[in-house]
Amino acid sequence: DGGITQSPKYLFRKEGQNVTLSCEQNLNHDAMYWYRQDPGQGLRLIYYSQIVNDFQKGDIAEGYSVSREKKESFPLTVTSAQKNPTAFYLCASSIGRGPYQETQYFGPGTRLLVL
Amino acid sequence: RKEVEQDPGPFNVPEGATVAFNCTYSNSASQSFFWYRQDCRKEPKLLMSVYSSGNEDGRFTAQLNRASQYISLLIRDSKLSDSATYLCVVNLFPNTDKLIFGTGTRLQVFP
Repeated sequence: DGGITQSPKYLFRKEGQNVTLSCEQNLNHDAMYWYRQDPGQGLRLIYYSQIVNDFQKGDIAEGYSVSREKKESFPLTVTSAQKNPTAFYLCASSIGRGPYQETQYFGPGTRLLVL
Repeated sequence: RKEVEQDPGPFNVPEGATVAFNCTYSNSASQSFFWYRQDCRKEPKLLMSVYSSGNEDGRFTAQLNRASQYISLLIRDSKLSDSATYLCVVNLFPNTDKLIFGTGTRLQVFP
C-alpha cells in the first residue's frame, strides 16, 4: 500500500524539551511538506523540501527544524524555542514541481500537546 | 485581505439537498485550484482539482471564475457522509510551490 505515514499519533512535550515527529512516504514523491493546523485556522506551512538534502522555510519556521537525508523521510523537530507548539501537525508530499504535479497528499497527522 | 477566503459556515442541510460553497482568492496570478475535504480530526484529502472550463465528478461540480477571482463547489443530492469541512486551496505556481489553504467551510447534512 502506497502512502504517507506519520508517527506518533499523539505526542506530549514537556517544557524545554525538543521532540521529533516522523514522516515517511513510499510514493516516490520528490517534494515533502510540513504544516501546522490550529482550530479555526487554515493550514500553515512550516518547512518544505523539493529534493533530498535541500529544504526551505515556510511561513512559520521559527522554533522548528527539519532534515531531508532520504527521499522518503522528512522528520520535523519542534524545539524548545517554539513557545506555542500545541497543534495538529500534518506532513504532505507531492510528485514535484510543475503544473498539475503539485497536488499534495497528506499523512494522518500528529497531535502535539504540551504538558 | 486574506489570500484565500471562505465562509466558515456551518451549512446545515437535509439529505438530498443541493448546497454550494464559494471561495475567493486575492492573487490574480494564481494558477491551480483545488477542493480538499477534511473530516473531523483527520487529514485533508483531495476532493477535486478545479479546471478553467469547470469540471464535474459525480455529484460534485467545481467552477472557476478568473475574472471575479472565485471558485465554487456544488454538491447535489447531499448524503450524510458528505458532512465534513471543505477546504479551498490555491497555488501560485510557477512563482511558488506553496499551496495556500482557506480555513474551510463546514457542512453538516442531517437526516
